[in-house]
Amino acid sequence: DAKTTQPNSMESNEEEPVHLPCNHSTISGTDYIHWYRQLPSQGPEYVIHGLTSNVNNRMASLAIAEDRKSSTLILHRATLRDAAVYYCILRDVRGTDKLIFGTGTRLQVFP
Amino acid sequence: DGGITQSPKYLFRKEGQNVTLSCEQNLNHDAMYWYRQDPGQGLRLIYYSQIVNDFQKGDIAEGYSVSREKKESFPLTVTSAQKNPTAFYLCASSIGRLNQPQHFGDGTRLSIL
Repeated sequence: DAKTTQPNSMESNEEEPVHLPCNHSTISGTDYIHWYRQLPSQGPEYVIHGLTSNVNNRMASLAIAEDRKSSTLILHRATLRDAAVYYCILRDVRGTDKLIFGTGTRLQVFP
Repeated sequence: DGGITQSPKYLFRKEGQNVTLSCEQNLNHDAMYWYRQDPGQGLRLIYYSQIVNDFQKGDIAEGYSVSREKKESFPLTVTSAQKNPTAFYLCASSIGRLNQPQHFGDGTRLSIL
C-alpha cells in the first residue's frame, strides 16, 4: 500500500483558512486520496476524497497536484470545532476496503 | 437517526477474561470493520466483514474473534490470548463499494484491571 507523509502538527487562528498538506510520492494510478478527521475521544469522520480533479464539499476542499504526488486539504474558515487530527489516506480501488491510517496532523485552532 | 452504536463506552477486563464489544448499525451497510487505536497512533484494522456470515482477518487479528450473524451487528471478542488489550476500539461500516466513506462509532475504551 502506498504511504502518505503529513506534518505532525499545525496551528491556525479562528476564521482563517487552513491548508493541510499531504505527500504521497508513490501513489499509483488506481489510488484515491481520502481525508478523515478525528476529534478527541471520538471515532474518525469522513471529510472528502478525490482522484485527480480538485473536489469541494460543505466541509472542505481538496486540491490535488497535477502529478498527484501531493494534495492539500483546505478548510476555508477554521472554527474551534475543526481542532482535530486529520488523516490523509490512499485507497487502492483494486485492493481491500480497509483504511490504512498514519499518525495524521494534529490541528490546533486558537480563538 | 441512522448511525453506529458501540457499547459499552468504557470496559474493564480482568486477567484471563474474555470480553465482547458490541457494534450495531442501522445504516443498512453491508460492510463492517473493527479497528484498534493506541495512544498517539493511527488506527489499525483487526477484522472486517463484507457480507453476513463472512469475515476476514485484518493486520492485527491475533487474540481477537468476531462473528457476523446479522447484517446490523458485528461483535468483537477480545480473548485472553490478546496480551496487550488496553486500547481504544472503533467499529465502522460502509456500503461496501470501494471509495465509499466508512462511518465510525464513538468507540469503546478497554482497560485491564
